[in-house]
Amino acid sequence: AQRVTQPEKLLSVFKGAPVELKCNYSYSGSPELFWYVQYSRQRLQLLLRHISRESIKGFTADLNKGETSFHLKKPFAQEEDSAMYYCALKGGGSQGNLIFGKGTKLSVKP
Amino acid sequence: EAGVTQSPTHLIKTRGQQVTLRCSPISGHTSVYWYQQALGLGLQFLLWYDEGEERNRGNFPPRFSGRQFPNYSSELNVNALELEDSALYLCASSFIRGRGNTIYFGEGSWLTVV
Repeated sequence: AQRVTQPEKLLSVFKGAPVELKCNYSYSGSPELFWYVQYSRQRLQLLLRHISRESIKGFTADLNKGETSFHLKKPFAQEEDSAMYYCALKGGGSQGNLIFGKGTKLSVKP
Repeated sequence: EAGVTQSPTHLIKTRGQQVTLRCSPISGHTSVYWYQQALGLGLQFLLWYDEGEERNRGNFPPRFSGRQFPNYSSELNVNALELEDSALYLCASSFIRGRGNTIYFGEGSWLTVV
């Protein structure tokens, strides 16, 4: 069964501190993994996806198939990073929809 | 370019009533997805339509149904509303099935059942 687990409901850090939002997944095939972000009063938007291997707003995420993880990292958090972050998995074929974790609320304090 | 648009933005219904939510995908997108975001439960997958056909369905009772029209817009219908159906209903769209296609979300329809 497909499943995405984000163990932390809330993560609070100070500005300039490193951030790591954890995501583990369960999927028998070869999934696509994504991070979506929802800033206050804005729609859910894509932050990054593993197949692009890109860095967006200083965030990176590496797919670790051995540990079935896709943790989101940023070396120096900014106050504007405060938001709700969702990890999502997309399977193939008839499982081509996104399955989301329950989300982690990141709070960056000044 | 217009994003995914949903209507209505807010509505209040009474338990037992029926509701229809509407979604217009981004121009050129053929896939539409519906999600329920209830307080404390995260984003729960409801339905996925592509090219007018239902491709996948989440773990919801049959009173949740929908359809996709030839112009790729979509409706979500919920019959016999229950209090726990109160939630934000999100619609999303993507270009085509397959890997590498970004799924874009609308702002949602807030449903309150009283």
